[in-house]
Amino acid sequence: AQSVTQLDSQVPVFEEAPVELRCNYSSSVSVYLFWYVQYPNQGLQLLLKYLSGSTLVKGINGFEAEFNKSQTSFHLRKPSVHISDTAEYFCAVSEHDKIIFGKGTRLHILP
Amino acid sequence: GAVVSQHPSRVICKSGTSVKIECRSLDFQATTMFWYRQFPKQSLMLMATSNEGSKATYEQGVEKDKFLINHASLTLSTLTVTSAHPEDSSFYICSARVTGTNTEAFFGQGTRLTVV
Repeated sequence: AQSVTQLDSQVPVFEEAPVELRCNYSSSVSVYLFWYVQYPNQGLQLLLKYLSGSTLVKGINGFEAEFNKSQTSFHLRKPSVHISDTAEYFCAVSEHDKIIFGKGTRLHILP
Repeated sequence: GAVVSQHPSRVICKSGTSVKIECRSLDFQATTMFWYRQFPKQSLMLMATSNEGSKATYEQGVEKDKFLINHASLTLSTLTVTSAHPEDSSFYICSARVTGTNTEAFFGQGTRLTVV
């Protein structure tokens, strides 16, 4: 079975600073990878996805992620964060008919 | 993008009663829908996979008789929490995939269930 590991439960970062949220997955086959964002008391919104092709994926709100097969990673990055980026971020992997989520990383923007 | 609507967004019910939560795909057909439960400050726990026209597939440890899932059409799945107890209080989220795809899922806005 596939699994997703988000090592950081919480990441504090100053406004306008860059940020990286880490995600590692385990899989022996080709995977589809996703990053979702969840704002308080809301559902999840897709930020970006990797299906195939270019390993650098650009998403909404200025986020991007890089698929690294050798390191089985799919880290999320943003060059300059805003207060509105405060949310919970989930990395996920598609396994046949299921989507498996990591435990989430809370991005805390400091003024 | 594809839109999934979940209703109600909040519900309070008395212990022992049943509550039904609806999940609709508004602009696409979804053969498969998923139901998740989320505890405060935790990740999403997959409860079951709902397949149109057939029985849902429940994850290990999820009580089938407690959480009834019906997927009667390509755009609607329902989750009924039967004989609810305070420990069933949680945030329930549904998601749906476009029929024929195995890629991303689109999520509803979630339902906050409080059992008193």
